[in-house]
Amino acid sequence: DAGITQSPRHKVTETGTPVTLRCHQTENHRYMYWYRQDPGHGLRLIHYSYGVKDTDKGEVSDGYSVSRSKTEDFLLTLESATSSQTSVYFCAISESRAGGRYEQYFGPGTRLTVT
Amino acid sequence: ELKVEQNPLFLSMQEGKNYTIYCNYSTTSDRLYWYRQDPGKSLESLFVLLSNGAVKQEGRLMASLDTKARLSTLHITAAVHDLSATYFCAVDVYGGSQGNLIFGKGTKLSVKP
Repeated sequence: DAGITQSPRHKVTETGTPVTLRCHQTENHRYMYWYRQDPGHGLRLIHYSYGVKDTDKGEVSDGYSVSRSKTEDFLLTLESATSSQTSVYFCAISESRAGGRYEQYFGPGTRLTVT
Repeated sequence: ELKVEQNPLFLSMQEGKNYTIYCNYSTTSDRLYWYRQDPGKSLESLFVLLSNGAVKQEGRLMASLDTKARLSTLHITAAVHDLSATYFCAVDVYGGSQGNLIFGKGTKLSVKP
């Protein structure tokens, strides 16, 4: 499982409240990613990080911010949650493999419901 | 805008039959990934295809990549119920280590006895 944990695993929150999801990895991977998964859309990249304090936007970054103050933790924050942010959120890391290839491994996911 | 299209999106097949899932993408890339997802679970890496003509096989699944046609296929041979899952292809946009993946919408496979 590439040593990835996510917390919380399930959360129900009200519209307008801030929410922070945490991704923790134990294997010192440089690259970390946040995706959301919605029916009919597959997975879409929200933000990614290529090192401590180095982050960039993905395909669907509006309404989300991220922080990475330590290699092992990548936080995703919804400043003011909306119902459209109800989704399953996956964290991923990128791990190098033989032959110059990289594979992404995914955490267990966080199911977020905004009421 | 990079698009990754899978078809079919839903596939119901009988055990013992063969079928192919197609993944088309709209920009140049030489890295393509296939993942499997069981209901309520995370994604499991199946194959990484790195070059034109790459073919990988694991059990009853075989994946191939044609970068000139911008097409990857996932072929299922003699399907069994345990293969029921959703299968995603994903294309690496930038290559290298950055690994920003664009996913298809997934193909939900149901294998019936």
